[in-house]
Amino acid sequence: EPEVTQTPSHQVTQMGQEVILRCVPISNHLYFYWYRQILGQKVEFLVSFYNNEISEKSEIFDDQFSVERPDGSNFTLKIRSTKLEDSAMYFCASSEMGTLNSPLHFGNGTRLTVT
Amino acid sequence: GDSVTQMEGPVTLSEEAFLTINCTYTATGYPSLFWYVQYPGEGLQLLLKATKADDKGSNKGFEATYRKETTSFHLEKGSVQVSDSAVYFCALRLDGTSGSRLTFGEGTQLTVNP
Repeated sequence: EPEVTQTPSHQVTQMGQEVILRCVPISNHLYFYWYRQILGQKVEFLVSFYNNEISEKSEIFDDQFSVERPDGSNFTLKIRSTKLEDSAMYFCASSEMGTLNSPLHFGNGTRLTVT
Repeated sequence: GDSVTQMEGPVTLSEEAFLTINCTYTATGYPSLFWYVQYPGEGLQLLLKATKADDKGSNKGFEATYRKETTSFHLEKGSVQVSDSAVYFCALRLDGTSGSRLTFGEGTQLTVNP
């Protein structure tokens, strides 16, 4: 069964550094998402992306975050200048459509540790 | 805003015990409701869903019924197995929004002992 792939599984970075988290969504899917889960807290929506632009973003997704689909397969989340509070598990997801009948398929996540 | 509240965990049960994980929600519209499961070292997987009131979602012996009057979607299983040990997330999603977001509960860690 096709799956969403995320790399790396664990990323350690120093405060103030830029980090790029990578995702390969399922190939025929058109909608892409990033979620994050700070340890011990809820899984939170960050952003959704469709047709090469952001379709929705949360209040968490401020100017230090950006997303990109640089080629036909990758979907990336960039954090420009990481802070300690960005330490979390980041989940990528994709869906075939944006409707409720089109479920989200999640990757295994990237654990980001900012020191 | 929209939110989901799950019963506090962790939950520890013996094999073949009955499981209930409570979930209640608040939403501005008419949401669809979901349970996701995360096995150790893996991503979130859709376990079951219900899209309208009184619908029952079921999968792998798990069930949940969409109760609009009590705004609840409690997860149940009659006889748990060790392999059910995982974190369970209740979530809602609202219709009418392109690429509509999932709103998750806190997650409930379930451990089933042999």
